[in-house]
This record gives sequence, C-alpha cells and structure tokens, in this order.
Amino acid sequence: ETGVTQTPRHLVMGMTNKKSLKCEQHLGHNAMYWYKQSAKKPLELMFVYSLEERVENNSVPSRFSPECPNSSHLFLHLHTLQPEDSALYLCASRANLGGTDTQYFGPGTRLTVL
Amino acid sequence: QKEVEQDPGPLSVPEGAIVSLNCTYSNSAFQYFMWYRQYSRKGPELLMYTYSSGNKEDGRFTAQVDKSSKYISLFIRDSQPSDSATYLCAMSTGGFKTIFGAGTRLFVKA
Repeated sequence: ETGVTQTPRHLVMGMTNKKSLKCEQHLGHNAMYWYKQSAKKPLELMFVYSLEERVENNSVPSRFSPECPNSSHLFLHLHTLQPEDSALYLCASRANLGGTDTQYFGPGTRLTVL
Repeated sequence: QKEVEQDPGPLSVPEGAIVSLNCTYSNSAFQYFMWYRQYSRKGPELLMYTYSSGNKEDGRFTAQVDKSSKYISLFIRDSQPSDSATYLCAMSTGGFKTIFGAGTRLFVKA
C-alpha cells in the first residue's frame, strides 16, 4: 500500500448519471493530482492541487469537476460523460510541488461509461 | 513529435533473461528521470529515480540516463515472472508536471 486510497475501484455509469470519485492520502502530502490512463496511451494529467488550491487544469472538459476540501482528500465529480471517457482514473500525491519529490499513486478507479 | 516515446511492446522473455526497456525524449530541459512499475489492476509504483545523467543500480535493476542522446534505459537482470508488469518511464524538469511514456508491457515466462 502506498498510502493513497481510491474509491470506488470500479464504476459503471450511464451518460446521464452523476457520480464522484474519491481519493484520500495518508502521507501528509501537500499536492494531489488526477490523471487519466487509457490503453496504450501515456498518463494524461487532468488536475493538480497544492494546499487545496488548483494550480493546473489541463484543458479538461467541464463534465469533470474536481474538488479538494483539504490536503488529504480529492474528489472528481462526473456528469454527462461520454463513452470515450472510459479509462482508469488515477490519483497521486506528492510531498510538495516541484523539486525532487516523487509522486505516489493510488490503485485507480476503473470507469466504464455506457 | 511526442515529448516522450516508449515502445508499448509487449515484450516477452524467458525467466532469467536480461531485459532492456528504453525511452527517448525531445525536451532537453528534463533533469529528473523515473521508472514506474504498474501491475495489473494497480497504480504505478516508483521503481527507480535518477537525477541528470549517469547510472543508478538497485538490486537487479539498473537505470541509465544519456542526456546527450536524450535516451533512458532500465535494465532488469535475472528477470523473474514476478517482474511481469507494465513499465512506465517518466521525466520532469523539476516543476509540478511529470511527463510519462505510454508504458512497455513485459511478460517473463517461467
């Protein structure tokens, strides 16, 4: 276990549903990330939060809405998704932005949009 | 041109073989180079971390960085079936963004 947990591990939703992904880190880190991982593609950075402030929104469609209520928790709210949004969504945390700190990943949420 | 290129494989080797995994990159500003291992249904875990050029060894794993050629490698000696996973190269300039390769899927046959 890396100290980063994600729930749910699997999610199937229709295009009209609203759901949320949750990430929690127990490492005392200050920065948290959302990535999208699709088959045979590099990890796509979606959002970065540092001390609960969003520092990066990597041109992500508005149907994905992040929320970081405190430095230990990160949410990704989903609504009116498309089938091409089906992927593994990974959360990562890092002690601080920049420098030599590395990222610790959670196990991911496997999302299927029907 | 992609910032980081990595052959997706799959790469299949017999147990005990030496495995060589590689990535090329285009951004000469990258200073930090990482290899992550990702098992099926798990998130990536950091395997090796190197700053600038040179070699780093950790047990059966050796990471090499050649900045002049913009080329990084991961060698696995005496490969084991438990090494079967997807290996992701990653690199950073030192800011908050890390750029990942697509990953190489490795199978080590017993």
